[in-house]
Amino acid sequence: AQKVTQAQTEISVVEKEDVTLDCVYETRDTTYYLFWYKQPPSGELVFLIRRNSFDEQNEISGRYSWNFQKSTSSFNFTITASQVVDSAVYFCALSEEGTSGSRLTFGEGTQLTVNP
Amino acid sequence: GAGVSQSPSNKVTEKGKDVELRCDPISGHTALYWYRQSLGQGLEFLIYFQGNSAPDKSGLPSDRFSAERTGGSVSTLTIQRTQQEDSAVYLCASPLGDTQYFGPGTRLTVL
Repeated sequence: AQKVTQAQTEISVVEKEDVTLDCVYETRDTTYYLFWYKQPPSGELVFLIRRNSFDEQNEISGRYSWNFQKSTSSFNFTITASQVVDSAVYFCALSEEGTSGSRLTFGEGTQLTVNP
Repeated sequence: GAGVSQSPSNKVTEKGKDVELRCDPISGHTALYWYRQSLGQGLEFLIYFQGNSAPDKSGLPSDRFSAERTGGSVSTLTIQRTQQEDSAVYLCASPLGDTQYFGPGTRLTVL
């Protein structure tokens, strides 16, 4: 069975601080995808990034970066120089190909609050 | 359309009533997913459609829940005899490749 754990329920930082959101996953498959989604106060889930299990290169997109380590089954997300607009709930998710297409298993989410 | 749309955005109903929630996926997408986001349960998978058929209904919490899809497009999630524990945000997702794009959700409140 697949499982995603986001141990940090809430994080509060001051603007311009760097913050890392942790994600640990469990799967028996060798082929899978990992995702991060952002859910701002408006409620809509916004796709941020997708990583497949064969690509362990770290990725940077502006102030966002992701660290994928298969050896520790982790896919952590770092926001550099955080801003108030980064305040949201962030979800890590895992999908495997199977009879359910590519259904997502989500972590519990991390509520990030960036204070001015 | 350009994105996933859902209606209504909010629904308040009385316990025991039936409700229908609608999802209009991204045009041309053959797969469609329903998820539910509730306090204490997080985000959980409900049902998956490929075209008009549902190969995986394993996430539906009880037989009061059903869903259909017609014409390979619009999907309707029906909850019969609603209970207070059905209160949640119901989300629809339309995949593009391996990435699922979500609609704004329907917030259901059962009084």
